[in-house]
Amino acid sequence: EIVMTQSPATLSVSPGERATLSCRASQSVSSDLAWYQQKPGQAPRLLIYGASTRASGIPARFSGSGSGTEFTLTISSLQSEDFAVYYCQQYDNWPPSFGPGTKVDIK
Amino acid sequence: EVQLLESGGGLVQPGGSLRLSCAASGFTFSSYSMTWVRQAPGKGLEWVTSISAGGDSTYYTGSVKGRFTISRDNSQNTLYLQMNSLRAEDTAVYYCAKEDLPGGPFYYFDGWGQGTLVTVSS
Repeated sequence: EIVMTQSPATLSVSPGERATLSCRASQSVSSDLAWYQQKPGQAPRLLIYGASTRASGIPARFSGSGSGTEFTLTISSLQSEDFAVYYCQQYDNWPPSFGPGTKVDIK
Repeated sequence: EVQLLESGGGLVQPGGSLRLSCAASGFTFSSYSMTWVRQAPGKGLEWVTSISAGGDSTYYTGSVKGRFTISRDNSQNTLYLQMNSLRAEDTAVYYCAKEDLPGGPFYYFDGWGQGTLVTVSS
């Protein structure tokens, strides 16, 4: 079973600044990596799949990169609505597995 | 617009049973694999179980295998999760989730319900 880790656990960022979130897999997942955003009391929302493809309706300030075991989600200029928890998830190997999340809060 | 509406959550005693439902609309339900993902209070996301588009293949995480059963009724556009022998550690919000692509399962999800809370406690 593939274990996903994320860093940092919490990221404090000012509005308008860039945020860089990391995700690591315990073994290669190729590019089968998704990112989700979850706000308090809401369901997760798919942001990125295939490591770098934005899902429908996702703003261009969200970008994903990486392959193999190391992945990055970048939010180029944080907006107020972007403060949330972000999860990565691998779907290359069964069972699918999620990382523990990175909370992005206001600095 | 994709809509997924879960129901059936509630408080149940350890060892009890509960059946969750997820009513789907806004897409061709019978073409997509479907999944249940859960989230314990204050914790992260955990994949629980998936079912193929036609319902002929099912997949479970180890901790629920033999206790939970996923099923679907494509004529009613509804997904189900029968949960038996419930334990305290099953306490969570349960989300139904739609695959991004038809067929599969591919195990990443572009549509989510609002979730239903299951609490297992005496």
